[in-house]
Amino acid sequence: GQNIDQPTEMTATEGAIVQINCTYQTSGFNGLFWYQQHAGEAPTFLSYNVLDGLEEKGRFSSFLSRSKGYSYLLLKELQMKDSASYLCAVIDSNYQLIWGAGTKLIIKP
Amino acid sequence: IAGITQAPTSQILAAGRRMTLRCTQDMRHNAMYWYRQDLGLGLRLIHYSNTAGTTGKGEVPDGYSVSRANTDDFPLTLASAVPSQTSVYFCASSDSSGRGNEQFFGPGTRLTVL
Repeated sequence: GQNIDQPTEMTATEGAIVQINCTYQTSGFNGLFWYQQHAGEAPTFLSYNVLDGLEEKGRFSSFLSRSKGYSYLLLKELQMKDSASYLCAVIDSNYQLIWGAGTKLIIKP
Repeated sequence: IAGITQAPTSQILAAGRRMTLRCTQDMRHNAMYWYRQDLGLGLRLIHYSNTAGTTGKGEVPDGYSVSRANTDDFPLTLASAVPSQTSVYFCASSDSSGRGNEQFFGPGTRLTVL
């Protein structure tokens, strides 16, 4: 079966750095997304990785290792508005998106 | 309209009633999707459509039906609602020629079946 694992919840301090991990076992791989979802709102796109390595975009970076079935999202200089759920999703061999359950990130002052 | 709209925003429905959730996009995207999101389970695909005139079943299609008569609209129908269909429903669309099939989401419909 297809599986994506993320921690259920994480807590971090404002101004700090946090890394949210995602491991996946899917039938094929055609890319990986990270989405952000604030409570009561729709998911919004954060990053896309299809090749191994680090993609940096401002305070957010995403890393991919296809051989290890592993990705992480790195958030720097945390702000209170970063409190949200972060969803990892993998495009499988049929070009369908397989979603993880999401990681709820709580930022404390 | 800019992006994807969904209607209604929320609905309380008696079990056994028929309900159609509406979804419209103005981005001329080929593909559209319906998800349900339940606490602790993440997004689960109900039905999808790769292009107007075609539809497919996702992970949890039972009790739901869809149609795709044109590019812009993708309604989801619950023929006879049951309490287990209480959930938040998101419609999404993507341009198959775009970045890795990035999906854009509507604001969601919160449905409660009593």
